[in-house]
This record gives sequence, structure tokens and C-alpha cells, in this order.
Amino acid sequence: EVQLLESGGDFVQPGGSLRLSCAASGFTFSSYAMTWVRQAPGKGLEWVSSISDNGGSRYYADSVKGRFTISRDNSKNTLYLQMNSLGAEDTAIYYCAKRFSNVVVLPGNYFDSWGQGTLVTVSS
Amino acid sequence: DIQMTQSPSSLSASAGDRVTITCRASQGISNYLAWYQQKPGKSPTLLIYAASTLQSGVPSRFSGSGSGTDFTLTISSLQPEDVATYFCQKYDTVPWTFGQGTKVEIK
Repeated sequence: EVQLLESGGDFVQPGGSLRLSCAASGFTFSSYAMTWVRQAPGKGLEWVSSISDNGGSRYYADSVKGRFTISRDNSKNTLYLQMNSLGAEDTAIYYCAKRFSNVVVLPGNYFDSWGQGTLVTVSS
Repeated sequence: DIQMTQSPSSLSASAGDRVTITCRASQGISNYLAWYQQKPGKSPTLLIYAASTLQSGVPSRFSGSGSGTDFTLTISSLQPEDVATYFCQKYDTVPWTFGQGTKVEIK
């Protein structure tokens, strides 16, 4: 059974930094691209960032580009999101999500497993 | 960037009713469209991919259709456990954008 367990969410002041983690189990983590999706309170889903299976390709939403860095440690089966220069607009539940397939040549990126999320609150 | 627009933003229907949710892409995305269900207080779960393919374990009362720019999610007979917010997502190219969601309630 696929399990994704996020952690690291916290209350942080504007301009601060935070690192989120997502511990994966139940599948061959190193074979799958992974993604962070966030959801502001009472709002919809927003794709944040994705990383390829070997970490060689990284993608970011314009809203976080230059401030957030996605990374992974395949030896630890863990996905990370380093968040810097946080603002109130970054307040959200952050979910990690697994790509639907480990076949890289298959086009597209949708998500067949999601974690339970970790809450980031940015406020003074 | 391609925008995804869902309608309606919310709906209320009786148990047993047929419910249809629409998702429109601002440009053609072929059939690279997924639907997710998010029950209150829970994480999203995948319902449909490739516009019309049901994810394993999803009840057959759910169906999807469409291609290009216009897509629909249909619940053939609404059940109390279907109370949730439904999101579409384009997954062809970056950015992998979601629709704003449709909240489904039972009358």
C-alpha cells in the first residue's frame, strides 16, 4: 500500500523559511516523479512543484519560482520542499503526491496517491 | 498558460439524481484531463484519468467524457457518500493546472 506522510508544517512569520518533508513507502520511490500541491484554507488545489524520478528535472509554478526548491533523497525515500521568503499567500495545506506511472515516456503528470497534508501558516 | 474553468462552482441535488459537472480548458488539451474527489477534511483522490477512464475501485456511477476543450464528470445516481468537492486537472504540459472546484451537496 502506498503511503505518503508529510511533515514540517508550522506557524512562521512573513519572510521566514520552512522545509517540508514527505516520507514515502509501499512503492519504489526512486522510480516515480513526485509533486507538491497546496490548498489555501477554503480554496482549491494549486500545483506547486514537481521533480523527476532521479531529481534531474524540476518544475515550479510561477507563484513560487525563485523562492521554493523541490528535492528528493531516494536513499531515504523522502521528498522535500524548501520554502523561503514566505508570505501570507503561502498559507495552505501542502500535499505530496505520486505520479501515476513510473514509465517516463508516458506523457503527462496526474496523481494517483496523495498524502494527508501538512499545514503551513504564515502570519505575523 | 492554459486555464481550467469548472461550472457550476456548487450544486445541491437529491439522492438518486443525475449530476453533471463541466470543465473547460482555454486551449485544447486532447484527453489529458483528470478528475479528483475531495471529501470534507480529507485529501483528494483520483477518480478519472484520460478524460474517461475510471481509476480502479471507483464506483461505476461515475463517468467522464470529452476531448479538446470541453469535459464533463457525471454521477449517474448521486449517493450521500458523494458529498465532496470535485476538481479537474489538465496534465498534458507544465503547469499542471487544476480547476477551481465544484462543491456537491445533498438536498
